[in-house]
Amino acid sequence: DTAVSQTPKYLVTQMGNDKSIKCEQNLGHDTMYWYKQDSKKFLKIMFSYNNKELIINETVPNRFSPKSPDKAHLNLHINSLELGDSAVYFCASSQRHGDHEQYFGPGTRLTVT
Amino acid sequence: GESVGLHLPTLSVQEGDNSIINCAYSNSASDYFIWYKQESGKGPQFIIDIRSNMDKRQGQRVTVLLNKTVKHLSLQIAATQPGDSAVYFCAENIPGNQFYFGTGTSLTVIP
Repeated sequence: DTAVSQTPKYLVTQMGNDKSIKCEQNLGHDTMYWYKQDSKKFLKIMFSYNNKELIINETVPNRFSPKSPDKAHLNLHINSLELGDSAVYFCASSQRHGDHEQYFGPGTRLTVT
Repeated sequence: GESVGLHLPTLSVQEGDNSIINCAYSNSASDYFIWYKQESGKGPQFIIDIRSNMDKRQGQRVTVLLNKTVKHLSLQIAATQPGDSAVYFCAENIPGNQFYFGTGTSLTVIP
């Protein structure tokens, strides 16, 4: 039983392309998040959604657009991909917004060439 | 074995020894501190948190110590096992905001 799942696990694409990463949680949680982890393992929050509403939108280029069709899904669409977008992207969820115990997905390794 | 948090991102300990992972935080308004473990190829996993009005909290084989005077916290792992090999992150929660992860410390357990 996968609690938080992401697809794809690996994504290799060229600069300028548009790509999406999907995330689903089956925990019944209200809040979902997207994080970016760079090559030095630094983990930074990008967005959080609570009951499909955007709560946190950190300083992220507007090429990144999250979409939450329902409480169990939070997808990340990235336009005009750049080399610096290469990273591992993690989706996470928590019971309520602000909960410290977040459940992370396995990550999507994005490589932009 | 003991790390100096942000200044020593790697720590190696012998199996069975105790590990101490240190972390310095910056915001005196932080009301909670959280530790996460990230194994290779996986997402981070919650270990334990501690409220700012506490100075110690214990879990299963782990102890968190908080020193607000010097803005420092540590994660102690008793009888370290190979399965404890991972990157450990501390995070601070700022009221009214999201919590923010610090730089991780990589723990390697030597069998």
